[in-house]
Amino acid sequence: DAGVIQSPRHEVTEMGQEVTLRCKPISGHNSLFWYRQTMMRGLELLIYFNNNVPIDDSGMPEDRFSAKMPNASFSTLKIQPSEPRDSAVYFCASSPRRQGNQPQHFGDGTRLSIL
Amino acid sequence: GESVGLHLPTLSVQEGDNSIINCAYSNSASDYFIWYKQESGKGPQFIIDIRSNMDKRQGQRVTVLLNKTVKHLSLQIAATQPGDSAVYFCAETWAAGNKLTFGGGTRVLVKP
Repeated sequence: DAGVIQSPRHEVTEMGQEVTLRCKPISGHNSLFWYRQTMMRGLELLIYFNNNVPIDDSGMPEDRFSAKMPNASFSTLKIQPSEPRDSAVYFCASSPRRQGNQPQHFGDGTRLSIL
Repeated sequence: GESVGLHLPTLSVQEGDNSIINCAYSNSASDYFIWYKQESGKGPQFIIDIRSNMDKRQGQRVTVLLNKTVKHLSLQIAATQPGDSAVYFCAETWAAGNKLTFGGGTRVLVKP
């Protein structure tokens, strides 16, 4: 079975540019999560969706960050304008919504470098 | 698995020995816990989970122990292999919510 698919795997761009990260969750999973990982702060939850609806975006750093989930099989995380401090690895994860908690399954991330 | 910024706690283990990775979680209301393994250049990989109504759960070569009294979680890896070298994270959540809180991670280095 295909896991969570993220693209691109690597992105290098200059500050001020718009960056769009993409995620395809596991088929049948209806919760989707965006995380950011840095050495200093570890893994941080940015936002998550249930059934394509944003539930908690309290982790989104500022208005430069936005996320959408137009359908059950696709989500984007956009940074505009990008800044060097946004450099990090961004992970997408998905989980099924069944009774009780279920583990989240992660993609292999997008390594983002803002010059 | 407590966060210490740039420095990850490191556990060096001889191949074939057992490993024990510890995690102090933060919320006494947490009722679901997960261990993840992260290899270089990859995303966290689910290893094993445990709910708060249990104190032990076993998988293939791994055992998770939960002590709610002292808010402590551990992961035991039997007969550690070179492929077990990675960073291990514990994560917790509560109230049937999906929001996970991750610990800072522990690096495991397996010596041949």
